[in-house]
Formats: sequence, C-alpha cells, structure tokens
Amino acid sequence: AQSVAQPEDQVNVAEGNPLTVKCTYSVSGNPYLFWYVQYPNRGLQFLLKYITGDNLVKGSYGFEAEFNKSQTSFHLKKPSALVSDSALYFCAVRDVSLRSGNTGKLIFGQGTTLQVKP
Amino acid sequence: EPEVTQTPSHQVTQMGQEVILRCVPISNHLYFYWYRQILGQKVEFLVSFYNNEISEKSEIFDDQFSVERPDGSNFTLKIRSTKLEDSAMYFCASRDRGTSGANVLTFGAGSRLTVL
Repeated sequence: AQSVAQPEDQVNVAEGNPLTVKCTYSVSGNPYLFWYVQYPNRGLQFLLKYITGDNLVKGSYGFEAEFNKSQTSFHLKKPSALVSDSALYFCAVRDVSLRSGNTGKLIFGQGTTLQVKP
Repeated sequence: EPEVTQTPSHQVTQMGQEVILRCVPISNHLYFYWYRQILGQKVEFLVSFYNNEISEKSEIFDDQFSVERPDGSNFTLKIRSTKLEDSAMYFCASRDRGTSGANVLTFGAGSRLTVL
C-alpha cells in the first residue's frame, strides 16, 4: 500500500522567513502526491498536486512543492511565510489497492502544524 | 466556487444511538468519500462510493457503518449504534470523473460527532 510520512509534528518560523514542511512517500508505481491545508474548525483545502512533469509544482496562496524522486520526497515550501499561513498541513498520496483498483482514495500523512510568529 | 456542504456541524449523542451525517457533494461530481479525524490524529479513509455502490472501504468501516445516496444529491453516513470511540470529525469529499487518479478531492467542513 502507498503511504506518506511527515516527520515533523510542528514547524515554527518567523513571518517573512522561508518555510518548509517535509513529506516523504512510499509508493509502487508513479506517485500522485497532494498537499492540503486545514485551518481551525474547517475542512481540508487543496493546495497543490504532483502528477507528472516539472518537479516544482506551484499552488495556492504562494505555496509550492518540490518532487524529488531519488529522495522520495515532496516537501512543501513558501519563500516568505505569513502569520495567516499558520494551520495544519497534510501531505497525501493516491492509493491504489489490489482488490479495488483505483478509487481515487487519498492516504494522508499525520499532519504538520505550522506556526508562523510575527 | 462550488463546495461540499455537511450537516450537522456538530452532533452530540448517547452511546448506542444511531447517527446520520449528511453531505451534499458538488453537483457534477461522481465519486464520494467519507473520512474521519479523531482529535489530534491523522485523517483516516472510511469509504468510497461510485455508481450507487461502495467501491472501497477500510477496516474501520465495519457493519455499524453504512452509506447511501438516497436522492441523487445527498450522500449520507449512518452509524447504527455509536460507540465512544466513534467520537471524531467526519469529512465528506467528492471528485469529478476526469483523468483517473489525478482529480482533486474537495472536502466539506466536517461534522463533529461527540458520543457520550
């Protein structure tokens, strides 16, 4: 089965500094990778995805992610953090099961809390 | 922008009671999902639904759970006899047909279930 891991429970950065939220993946076949953000008491909002093509993917709110096949990583980045970026971030991978095939199901990582301080 | 809506936003119930959580997916979407998130833990897949039947379910989705699309717009999750450990935030999601696997799941804001 496919999986993703987010090694950091929390990331703290100062406003204006670059941020990185880490994600590594384990898949058989080509990975379909996603980042979602969850603000307090809200649902998950899509940020960006990697399917194929350029390793650097640009998404919403100035976020981008770099796909690195050799390191099996898909880290989320932003050049200059805002206090309003403080939220819970989830990395996800499309899962394809042997029994059900591709149902479009996503498997999520544990989540990383990003805290941006003024 | 189209969105997935979920009701109720919060439900408190007694252990052993039946609960129905409701979702209205985006109108042209064909694939539907339920996920849950126990407080402080990861988002876990429960079930996927396509063409009026379950296409995949997790080990969590046991006989106490069922899903239904009764009228072509609503998508419901029923928990027959709730347990304390069912307390969680339940998220509905939907996606359109498009290119297989590349589609983005759009999530609702969630229904918080508290079982006492």
